[in-house]
Amino acid sequence: RKEVEQDPGPFNVPEGATVAFNCTYSNSASQSFFWYRQDCRKEPKLLMSVYSSGNEDGRFTAQLNRASQYISLLIRDSKLSDSATYLCVVTSGGGSYIPTFGRGTSLIVHP
Amino acid sequence: EPEVTQTPSHQVTQMGQEVILRCVPISNHLYFYWYRQILGQKVEFLVSFYNNEISEKSEIFDDQFSVERPDGSNFTLKIRSTKLEDSAMYFCAPGERPDEAFFGQGTRLTVV
Repeated sequence: RKEVEQDPGPFNVPEGATVAFNCTYSNSASQSFFWYRQDCRKEPKLLMSVYSSGNEDGRFTAQLNRASQYISLLIRDSKLSDSATYLCVVTSGGGSYIPTFGRGTSLIVHP
Repeated sequence: EPEVTQTPSHQVTQMGQEVILRCVPISNHLYFYWYRQILGQKVEFLVSFYNNEISEKSEIFDDQFSVERPDGSNFTLKIRSTKLEDSAMYFCAPGERPDEAFFGQGTRLTVV
């Protein structure tokens, strides 16, 4: 049973493009949601938290849809440096904060 | 800048041996996590610490694993009787919230 699912990609986009990733989760009691980015053979780095009202950080916008149990990440004006794997993370609810990571979506931005 | 320093960066050990992975936080954090990532697979939660005690642990974190804070600041992850399938990147990660973590650069463990 997959708890957090992501399209592995790769998403291959030109510089300047807008790209969106989705992530679905199975536990309706999940309470916290995050996007991390991971470069090849590096540690994951927190990109942004995802709030119910949606949130934006520069070129990045994250949305949460509790009814359909998915979160999304939108990247505008893609840069070469955005090339990485984007990990969706969902923490369990009910007083537990155990995080479950998705396998990640690979993004390749080309000139 | 990383919030933690992990040592060693790479550890090669023979199957059946014990290994100790170390993590030195740059500053005090309330929460502390250990994760592992087998090559090509997803990041997996192992255990979390709060107030110097284990807060939560996953099914992976069985009797083969133990965590300590030997001197009040550093953290160690001990893996006893290593198996081939323990080969992975092991990350420690402090956090200010129970659901937020800043990963160290990891220790690559190779069991041969």
